[in-house]
Amino acid sequence: AQSVTQPDIHITVSEGASLELRCNYSYGATPYLFWYVQSPGQGLQLLLKYFSGDTLVQGIKGFEAEFKRSQSSFNLRKPSVHWSDAAEYFCAVSNTGFQKLVFGTGTRLLVSP
Amino acid sequence: KAGVTQTPRYLIKTRGQQVTLSCSPISGHRSVSWYQQTPGQGLQFLFEYFSETQRNKGNFPGRFSGRQFSNSRSEMNVSTLELGDSALYLCASSPPSGRDTQYFGPGTRLTVL
Repeated sequence: AQSVTQPDIHITVSEGASLELRCNYSYGATPYLFWYVQSPGQGLQLLLKYFSGDTLVQGIKGFEAEFKRSQSSFNLRKPSVHWSDAAEYFCAVSNTGFQKLVFGTGTRLLVSP
Repeated sequence: KAGVTQTPRYLIKTRGQQVTLSCSPISGHRSVSWYQQTPGQGLQFLFEYFSETQRNKGNFPGRFSGRQFSNSRSEMNVSTLELGDSALYLCASSPPSGRDTQYFGPGTRLTVL
């Protein structure tokens, strides 16, 4: 069965500092991978996705993620965090073609001034 | 294009009652998925509908059901509500050939008293 692990429940980053959120997945084949962000009381917004090809994918709001097959990882990065980035971030994997996302438990990002 | 809309946004029910939630997908999207989000269990897949047919189902009891109409709008129903059904219910729609990319609505917050 597929699974997604986000080992960090909370992360605090100073505004302007760089950010890396970790995501590891378990899946038999090459998965479709996603990062979503959720602000309090809101739905999920898609940040970026990986299907195939270039392992470094660019998303919205200055985020990027790198797919590393050897490490079964899909870490999310941002070079300079803004206070408005404070939110909860979810990594997800899909069993391709079945429209079913399996989510990690999320990482709550706090941004300090 | 308008995003995914969900109604109502907030709902309070008592144990034993039933509830119906509604989701209107993005125009042109034919696949609609439902997820339950709780602090304890995180984001869990309920079911997915495509062209009025349920294609996938998660591991939820039969009290949870859904349907999709010819205009792709979807409803989910929970009968005999339990306290543990209190959650944020998220609906997502996918474009044709969307490679499992799902766009989420703001959710319906259900509180069961």
